[in-house]
Amino acid sequence: GENVEQHPSTLSVQEGDSAVIKCTYSDSASNYFPWYKQELGKGPQLIIDIRSNVGEKKDQRIAVTLNKTAKHFSLHITETQPEDSAVYFCATNRDSNYQLIWGAGTKLIIKP
Amino acid sequence: GAGVSQTPSNKVTEKGKYVELRCDPISGHTALYWYRQSLGQGPEFLIYFQGTGAADDSGLPNDRFFAVRPEGSVSTLKIQRTERGDSAVYLCASSPYPGGTYNEQFFGPGTRLTVL
Repeated sequence: GENVEQHPSTLSVQEGDSAVIKCTYSDSASNYFPWYKQELGKGPQLIIDIRSNVGEKKDQRIAVTLNKTAKHFSLHITETQPEDSAVYFCATNRDSNYQLIWGAGTKLIIKP
Repeated sequence: GAGVSQTPSNKVTEKGKYVELRCDPISGHTALYWYRQSLGQGPEFLIYFQGTGAADDSGLPNDRFFAVRPEGSVSTLKIQRTERGDSAVYLCASSPYPGGTYNEQFFGPGTRLTVL
């Protein structure tokens, strides 16, 4: 079945520096790639998503890139701030439908 | 407006007991999802409702788990004869109609279930 691998599991960066989280997937039919941010005690919140017909998408300090040939996509956060500290999850859809398959998460720590 | 709400926020029960977890989706959202999240893991799909019917229950781990959505709004996840392995955070999400591949899923805060 579909598998999503996410790296690294923990990422610690200095405030103001950039952070990059990478995911790979196995189902070539996947065509939707969201990224979620989860703070302690809260549910995941969508921060950005990308469709398979787009290679890159940017929203202020956050960007996502997609390489369908290599089956990987990445989250880029620039000018990191303390409030960016959280667990970030990548996901993709199974068999081109609504069911999301999730990575194991990356704990992002922003050091002041 | 109000987001997805879930009650209770925490539930502690004993092995073998029956529990019900409630989800109130965003008003007007016809699609509703249940996920289970274990510590240090991403959410795991359990079941998807479109309106009142379960369109996909392939993620339910066994027949001790059941979910209903009788009026197409509030949903209840029911777990019979709870086991310690059922301990996890149960997340509910909703998305607007029409359902489909690209609908953003809005998540509630989850119910933390602990089975002693």
